[in-house]
Amino acid sequence: QQQVKQSPQSLIVQKGGIPIINCAYENTAFDYFPWYQQFPGKGPALLIAIRPDVSEKKEGRFTISFNKSAKQFSLHIMDSQPGDSATYFCAASGRDSSYKLIFGSGTRLLVRP
Amino acid sequence: DAMVIQNPRYQVTQFGKPVTLSCSQTLNHNVMYWYQQKSSQAPKLLFHYYDKDFNNEADTPDNFQSRRPNTSFCFLDIRSPGLGDAAMYLCATSETLYNEQFFGPGTRLTVL
Repeated sequence: QQQVKQSPQSLIVQKGGIPIINCAYENTAFDYFPWYQQFPGKGPALLIAIRPDVSEKKEGRFTISFNKSAKQFSLHIMDSQPGDSATYFCAASGRDSSYKLIFGSGTRLLVRP
Repeated sequence: DAMVIQNPRYQVTQFGKPVTLSCSQTLNHNVMYWYQQKSSQAPKLLFHYYDKDFNNEADTPDNFQSRRPNTSFCFLDIRSPGLGDAAMYLCATSETLYNEQFFGPGTRLTVL
């Protein structure tokens, strides 16, 4: 019940493409869903986060779509650039996790020039 | 700029030789976390402090200890590092348990 399942494990797109990374959760008490971006040898950086009261949130080229009934959320990167090549982690937290982040397994994204 | 700072960035130790990793923050956040991240895996929470209250994860080995002498600093002590403890160690902070977590750059630990 505490798991967050992330897919795909890796993703390759051409520059300008729109990679989509999906996450699914089971615990309906989760109420905070952040996405982190991590470059090799660096710490994860908070990219964007959403709470269940909205179905979509956009910040620059990054959009989270949230489907509460399906217990799924996804990250879309518009007009992807080679500089977006990184590992992306989704996470979830809420009362039942004592508000600790439950991470997905990560998606390694490569954007080709 | 307000930030989370980790020192050193790279640490090499010998098998069984105690090592201490350091984290400091200028965000004045109440919560400080320590995560372990192995290659191609998600960060794994070891423990966290809410102010002075220490919270250990159930599966964190006894070999790992932590100290938080004041709001700004938190230390990770590995009493007898084994080869399996080689990893990136990440410190993170948040204002409260309900707020965003901000990660430091990490310390890469190598055990010889």
